[in-house]
This record gives sequence, structure tokens and C-alpha cells, in this order.
Amino acid sequence: AQSVTQLGSHVSVSEGALVLLRCNYSSSVPPYLFWYVQYPNQGLQLLLKYTSAATLVKGINGFEAEFKKSETSFHLTKPSAHMRDAAEYFCAVSVRGVGNYQLIWGAGTKLIIKP
Amino acid sequence: KAGVTQTPRYLIKTRGQQVTLSCSPISGHRSVSWYQQTPGQGLQFLFEYFSETQRNKGNFPGRFSGRQFSNSRSEMNVSTLELGDSALYLCASSIRHGAGETQYFGPGTRLLVL
Repeated sequence: AQSVTQLGSHVSVSEGALVLLRCNYSSSVPPYLFWYVQYPNQGLQLLLKYTSAATLVKGINGFEAEFKKSETSFHLTKPSAHMRDAAEYFCAVSVRGVGNYQLIWGAGTKLIIKP
Repeated sequence: KAGVTQTPRYLIKTRGQQVTLSCSPISGHRSVSWYQQTPGQGLQFLFEYFSETQRNKGNFPGRFSGRQFSNSRSEMNVSTLELGDSALYLCASSIRHGAGETQYFGPGTRLLVL
């Protein structure tokens, strides 16, 4: 069965520092992987999506993620954090198959930006 | 193009009542999914509808139900509300049903059960 683990319910970085949010998945077949962001009192917004076209995926707002099959990871990074990046980030996995599917979500990581 | 809209945005009910939430997907999207989000349980999948048919269902009691209309708009209903049903209910739409489809989320309906 598929599952997603996000390491760290809270991550705190200083403004201008590197952002690294970790996501590990388990899947018996090649996955589709997603990162979404949720700002306070809002719905979720897609940051980026891995669909096997390229292992390094660039998303919106300067974020990118690298798919590493050997490590079953899809970590999200941003070179320099901004105050506006403070939000909750969710990793999700979906698997290609016959019939039904559903997105499996990680528990989320709250990103805190220190001035 | 207008995004996913959900109504109402906020709702207060008492235990035992029932509630109906509405979701209008992005124009042209035929798949609608519903999620419950709480601080303790995170994001939990409720169900997905595509072309008026329920395609998938999460692990929720039968008090939670939904439907989809021919114009792809969807409603979810919760009967006999319990305190634990207090949550943010999110609706998401995608063009079609299938793995890899991007889901676009609405702002959610925040339900408080007293």
C-alpha cells in the first residue's frame, strides 16, 4: 500500500536561508508525486508535480523538488526563504493503476520563517 | 477562469443536526473530491465523484454522503452531526478521474459543531 511520510511537523528557518522539507513515500509502482501549499484560512495550492518526465521538478514561487527513486524521496527545496513562504506544506502520492485511485497525503509540515 | 467555489464558507451547527455543503468545480472539470481537514487527523479523503458516479470512498461512516449533478457541481451531506465533525471541509476538482490528475482546491467550508 502507498504511504507518505513527512519528516518534521514544524520546520523553522531564517529569512534568506535554505528551505528543505522532507517527503518519503512508499509505493510498489512508479508514483505520481505532488507538493501542495496551504496558507492560513485558505485551500491547498499546487506547488509542483512529478510525473516521470524529469527527476528535478521546478514549481511556483521558486520551489523545486527532486525525485530520488533509490531513496524513495521527493524533498522540497527553496534556496532562499521569504516571509511569505510561511505556510503548511503537504506531500501526496498517487499511483497509476487500473480502476480507482486516491491521493495519499502526508501529515503536513508547517514552515516557520524567522526574520 | 473561475476557481473552485465552496458555500457556505463558515457554518455553525449543533449536535444531531444535519448539514449540506456545496462545491462548484472549475468549468470543464468533471471530477470532484471531498476532504476533511482537522488539526489532529490532517487531510482525510471522503469521496470522489466523476460524471455523477462515486468513484472512490474513504473510511468514513455512512453519515457522510455526497452526490454530483450533471453540471459537475457537488454536494456533501453530514447527518446527525457529532462534535468530532468540526473541521475544514475541502473540495477539489480535476479535469478527469485518474492517477496523476492535478486537483484544484476551493477555500473550504469551516464547520463548527456545538
